[in-house]
Amino acid sequence: DSGVTQTPKHLITATGQRVTLRCSPRSGDLSVYWYQQSLDQGLQFLIQYYNGEERAKGNILERFSAQQFPDLHSELNLSSLELGDSALYFCASSPPTTTEAFFGQGTRLTVV
Amino acid sequence: TQLLEQSPQFLSIQEGENLTVYCNSSSVFSSLQWYRQEPGEGPVLLVTVVTGGEVKKLKRLTFQFGDARKDSSLHITAAQPGDTGLYLCAVVDSGYALNFGKGTSLLVTP
Repeated sequence: DSGVTQTPKHLITATGQRVTLRCSPRSGDLSVYWYQQSLDQGLQFLIQYYNGEERAKGNILERFSAQQFPDLHSELNLSSLELGDSALYFCASSPPTTTEAFFGQGTRLTVV
Repeated sequence: TQLLEQSPQFLSIQEGENLTVYCNSSSVFSSLQWYRQEPGEGPVLLVTVVTGGEVKKLKRLTFQFGDARKDSSLHITAAQPGDTGLYLCAVVDSGYALNFGKGTSLLVTP
């Protein structure tokens, strides 16, 4: 158990819908990262937050957004969903003094 | 362009064999991390290498950081079925993002 909690574990939704994925980092970790993993693209960095502020942005679509709240939990919002958004979405956290990441178990999103 | 290139992409070997997987880049990094991911799970950190030429051992796994800090290798001695998984290398780029290679998928059969 990494200490990072992601909910839900599985999500099935229809095209055009909007979903929210939630992540609770390890106690004491200030950084939260979001990744998308598909078979052909590998683990793609989406966005990073550090202590509530956006710190780095990867190839995140405009239909996707994220935020980190004062209690440091984070949410990833995916809207106008398309079939191609079906993937595993991982959250990871890291302590203030390192970039070593601890991953949650992921949310498997299926868009039908 | 992929920041990190990992090879081989797939590797299938029998229990007891040795293997080496590689992580290469044209950029220089201050450190590099190796993770292992099992099906349906999130990646788990194995090791961080920091110094050029550094060698770190984790039981039967040996990690090396290239002298120029542009590449790394992971050598597994006497592989076991429990070593099966996706091996990923990762680095932090200039923008703080932790970026991963596409990984080497290893299958060890009894």
